Amino acid sequence: DAGVIQSPRHEVTEMGQEVTLRCKPISGHDYLFWYRQTMMRGLELLIYFNNNVPIDDSGMPEDRFSAKMPNASFSTLKIQPSEPRDSAVYFCASSLGGPSNTGELFFGEGSRLTVL
Amino acid sequence: QQQVKQSPQSLIVQKGGISIINCAYENTAFDYFPWYQQFPGKGPALLIAIRPDVSEKKEGRFTISFNKSAKQFSLHIMDSQPGDSATYFCAAPGPTDKLIFGTGTRLQVFP
Repeated sequence: DAGVIQSPRHEVTEMGQEVTLRCKPISGHDYLFWYRQTMMRGLELLIYFNNNVPIDDSGMPEDRFSAKMPNASFSTLKIQPSEPRDSAVYFCASSLGGPSNTGELFFGEGSRLTVL
Repeated sequence: QQQVKQSPQSLIVQKGGISIINCAYENTAFDYFPWYQQFPGKGPALLIAIRPDVSEKKEGRFTISFNKSAKQFSLHIMDSQPGDSATYFCAAPGPTDKLIFGTGTRLQVFP
């Protein structure tokens, strides 16, 4: 298996533009997570899905952020409109079983977003 | 919000030395404590994990020590190598299956 695949790896955009990050989880995994990593705040969980259904989106910073999982093999994280403070590395991770069941998280290589 | 507090923020160790990273948690309901390792430009990857029914788990040069009464757990890297230079995160599952990460420790091992 190729692992969790994220695209784009790097994105540079201007303030106010829409940004869409994409993720393909490992086949057969039933959990998908979106994390954001910054120097100041570390790894923050934004939202996660179980069997394509959003379970907890309490980490989504504000209404400018939205995430979807239309099927078991694809998820998107959208920021509209983007702001400079959204600059971060966004990670997608998937697991078989949730973390509390020792479900190991497999992370993608991340999407580095820079908003000018 | 449930927290996992990690220290130190950064650590410099000579090759062959012992690296020790500590974490403290609040929620006594946590029952699984993984450590993740992250190299620059990569996503975190599971390194080693422990359940609180044991006080220690060892895998090669990596050992987790767990102190349930103090609500603390630590990662020990024996015979540290330059290839161990990375950022290490402790974690614990919180409510609703969230995995809560510590703030990370940047380890640098010099030859």
